[in-house]
Amino acid sequence: DAKTTQPPSMDCAEGRAANLPCNHSTISGNEYVYWYRQIHSQGPQYIIHGLKNNETNEMASLIITEDRKSSTLILPHATLRDTAVYYCIVRVGISGGYQKVTFGTGTKLQVIP
Amino acid sequence: DAGVTQSPTHLIKTRGQHVTLRCSPISGHKSVSWYQQVLGQGPQFIFQYYEKEERGRGNFPDRFSARQFPNYSSELNVNALLLGDSALYLCASSPDIPLTEAFFGQGTRLTVV
Repeated sequence: DAKTTQPPSMDCAEGRAANLPCNHSTISGNEYVYWYRQIHSQGPQYIIHGLKNNETNEMASLIITEDRKSSTLILPHATLRDTAVYYCIVRVGISGGYQKVTFGTGTKLQVIP
Repeated sequence: DAGVTQSPTHLIKTRGQHVTLRCSPISGHKSVSWYQQVLGQGPQFIFQYYEKEERGRGNFPDRFSARQFPNYSSELNVNALLLGDSALYLCASSPDIPLTEAFFGQGTRLTVV
């Protein structure tokens, strides 16, 4: 399984961009990078995913390095409601259609007023 | 639209007992996954079911089992409960395999005493 490494915590000033890094140096060529977040006491929420190109949606942008060994999730204008634990996930596909998903350690993002 | 619903939201069991947790996926979603989240850690993958067949299994003992019904709802069963089984159990549904935009329920908080 490709393993992900994230910093345990980060702070970001409200209104500024939050840049959350993830290292996935053992990722395979056909594995996607997914980001989820979990606000306290709630189920994880999907944010974005990508393979090798940069992706953007209404929530965030995902920047994947050319060698695909790391990525950065960008929240362009962080608000207090973005305070959460952010998980970087590499989706593993096993032959025969089996799926095994491994969550990383997560980064606790604290948005500061 | 109703999201992923899990029941019960909380329960307390005694060591050695059996527990059944239930999950109703979003209408039209055929894939259900189960996760265990111990306090302070990221979710750990337990099972994935698609079209009533097991499609993925994490590193959990045989005391853990699950099934998916024709209406795509799912049950997670845990036998011979241990204190270490105390956790938040999360259910996620997605339209198909692979795990793309999975939607998580609020979870069932299980406490084993």
